[in-house]
Amino acid sequence: GESVGLHLPTLSVQEGDNSIINCAYSNSASDYFIWYKQESGKGPQFIIDIRSNMDKRQGQRVTVLLNKTVKHLSLQIAATQPGDSAVYFCAEKRGGSGGSYIPTFGRGTSLIVHP
Amino acid sequence: DTAVSQTPKYLVTQMGNDKSIKCEQNLGHDTMYWYKQDSKKFLKIMFSYNNKELIINETVPNRFSPKSPDKAHLNLHINSLELGDSAVYFCASSQGTGRAETQYFGPGTRLLVL
Repeated sequence: GESVGLHLPTLSVQEGDNSIINCAYSNSASDYFIWYKQESGKGPQFIIDIRSNMDKRQGQRVTVLLNKTVKHLSLQIAATQPGDSAVYFCAEKRGGSGGSYIPTFGRGTSLIVHP
Repeated sequence: DTAVSQTPKYLVTQMGNDKSIKCEQNLGHDTMYWYKQDSKKFLKIMFSYNNKELIINETVPNRFSPKSPDKAHLNLHINSLELGDSAVYFCASSQGTGRAETQYFGPGTRLLVL
């Protein structure tokens, strides 16, 4: 079946390095993608999103890249800080019944930042 | 002020019991959700309500019954709890169900069935 998944379950980086978290999706009908951050003991929190008609979007210290050809999404975090340590999820959206867009989450990647 | 709140935060109970989890959002959103997160952190949607009406009902056992008394509340009642129900349950809300609507998650309810 079609699904959203992640290449790496755990990513360890040194403070100050750049981090790249990858996500593969297989549903070509998906036209909207979101990255969430989940800190320990908390619920997921929106980071950044991107529409399928874009291939790059930048936020504060974060950049999302979308490659529709290979159905790949990545989240780049610049100058990673200890506070970035969390589980990161990608999610895809596509139109459903009644025009509702309900996100489907992929498996998370645990980012560990070493001071 | 907490945007999306859930009670209780922790719930430890015996197999076969019936329990409820409550969720409230003060964001004025029209849409609310229940997600289940397993031990491997996989998040799966269970239910979604829009303006108090059920719009999403994924393959969830009948033992799970959501109730939305008003737009700000979405409760989850679970009958005859089983060991496999142990998980973290997240409530979320969004303004609507459009493509660009952002979901806001609650802090989660950690359910342990013994």
